Amino acid sequence: GQNIDQPTEMTATEGAIVQINCTYQTSGFNGLFWYQQHAGEAPTFLSYNVLDGLEEKGRFSSFLSRSKGYSYLLLKELQMKDSASYLCAVRDWSNYQLIWGAGTKLIIKP
Amino acid sequence: DTAVSQTPKYLVTQMGNDKSIKCEQNLGHDTMYWYKQDSKKFLKIMFSYNNKELIINETVPNRFSPKSPDKAHLNLHINSLELGDSAVYFCASSQDLGGTEAFFGQGTRLTVV
Repeated sequence: GQNIDQPTEMTATEGAIVQINCTYQTSGFNGLFWYQQHAGEAPTFLSYNVLDGLEEKGRFSSFLSRSKGYSYLLLKELQMKDSASYLCAVRDWSNYQLIWGAGTKLIIKP
Repeated sequence: DTAVSQTPKYLVTQMGNDKSIKCEQNLGHDTMYWYKQDSKKFLKIMFSYNNKELIINETVPNRFSPKSPDKAHLNLHINSLELGDSAVYFCASSQDLGGTEAFFGQGTRLTVV
C-alpha cells in the first residue's frame, strides 16, 4: 500500500532551525514533493526530490533517502511568516498520482 | 494575472442541490486536477485531465463529474449534494503528468447544509 507519515504539529522559535520529517511507503516511487500551505490558502510548491541527497533553495532545503523511504524539509532562519502547514507528497510511477500526507502544522514563536 | 483561478471561493448550498465549480488556468499547462481537502487537511486527488483526456478517476461517487471544454478549463459538477461533500476543493495544473510543480487555485469552500 501507499502511506505518508509526518508529525502533526511542531513548534519552533523565530530565527532558529527546524526539521520536518516525512516517511513514506509506495510501490513505485517517482518523486517527493514539499508544499507550504498557509491557513485558508492554497498549497504552494517548495521543493521536488527524485534522487537521493540534499536540494537547497534559499532558507529551505529538502533531503531524500529512497532506500529509507525518508525525507526531511529543513527551514533555517525561521520567520513568523513561516507559520504554516507543510505537506509532504509522493508521486507514484504507475499513474503519476500524488499521495499526500496530512501536513505538519508549524508554529513559530517570537 | 492569476495563474489558476477557480470560482466561487465560497459556496453554501442545501442537500440535494446540484452545483458547479469552475477552474481556468492561463499557464498553457497540459494537465489539470481536482483535489478535495477534508477537515483533517488531507488532500485527495479526485480527477486529473491530461490534454482533455481523463487520466485518473479516483473512486469518487459518480455524483461528481469533471468537464473540460478545452485544456485551459476543468470544471467540477456535483449532483445531489450530501453533507459529507462539505470540504475545500482545489483545482490545480501542471505542465504535464510528470511536471515537478503544480499550481493551485485559491480553493472553493463548499458547505452543504
